[in-house]
Amino acid sequence: GDSVTQMEGPVTLSEEAFLTINCTYTATGYPSLFWYVQYPGEGLQLLLKATKADDKGSNKGFEATYRKETTSFHLEKGSVQVSDSAVYFCALRLQGGSEKLVFGKGTKLTVNP
Amino acid sequence: EAGVAQSPRYKIIEKRQSVAFWCNPISGHATLYWYQQILGQGPKLLIQFQNNGVVDDSQLPKDRFSAERLKGVDSTLKIQPAKLEDSAVYLCASSLGLARGIQETQYFGPGTRLLVL
Repeated sequence: GDSVTQMEGPVTLSEEAFLTINCTYTATGYPSLFWYVQYPGEGLQLLLKATKADDKGSNKGFEATYRKETTSFHLEKGSVQVSDSAVYFCALRLQGGSEKLVFGKGTKLTVNP
Repeated sequence: EAGVAQSPRYKIIEKRQSVAFWCNPISGHATLYWYQQILGQGPKLLIQFQNNGVVDDSQLPKDRFSAERLKGVDSTLKIQPAKLEDSAVYLCASSLGLARGIQETQYFGPGTRLLVL
């Protein structure tokens, strides 16, 4: 079935460090891919998305590129801030089918000053 | 614009008791989702409504879980009787639902954290 695998956490970085959170997927069709972020005490928020191969999603300094050949959608940021501390979820949604999101397990990021 | 509202935010019950959660989606959103998020896992869809009709309830444990959206606006999710493994965060999300196949953003509420003792 359709699934998302993302790197195990937690991840702890110092401020201004480079961030990568790996995400790979398995899908029978051609999914759209998403990164959601969950700040402490808040609901899930869409961070960025990509709907087709080679698309790059970006927002708030975060980027992820839809790589069909490696079935990946890794999240990157060049310089993290303390305010980026949160749980990050990679997710997919099949195009043309059910609109449900299939999520990975989440990666907790802590950024220290 | 007001976001997705959920209540209560926290609930503690004993096993075999019943519990109900409420969700009010963003105004004008036709599609409503309930997800279950067990600690350490990603959210899993339980049920999806389009207006007051069920689109997908394939992962809803129907022997104990039920959900309704009678007027196509707010929704309730009920568990009766609860089991220990139902301890989780229950997330409600909504989207515009203009037409099937259009990739619309889902907006999530803050969730209801349930602990079953």
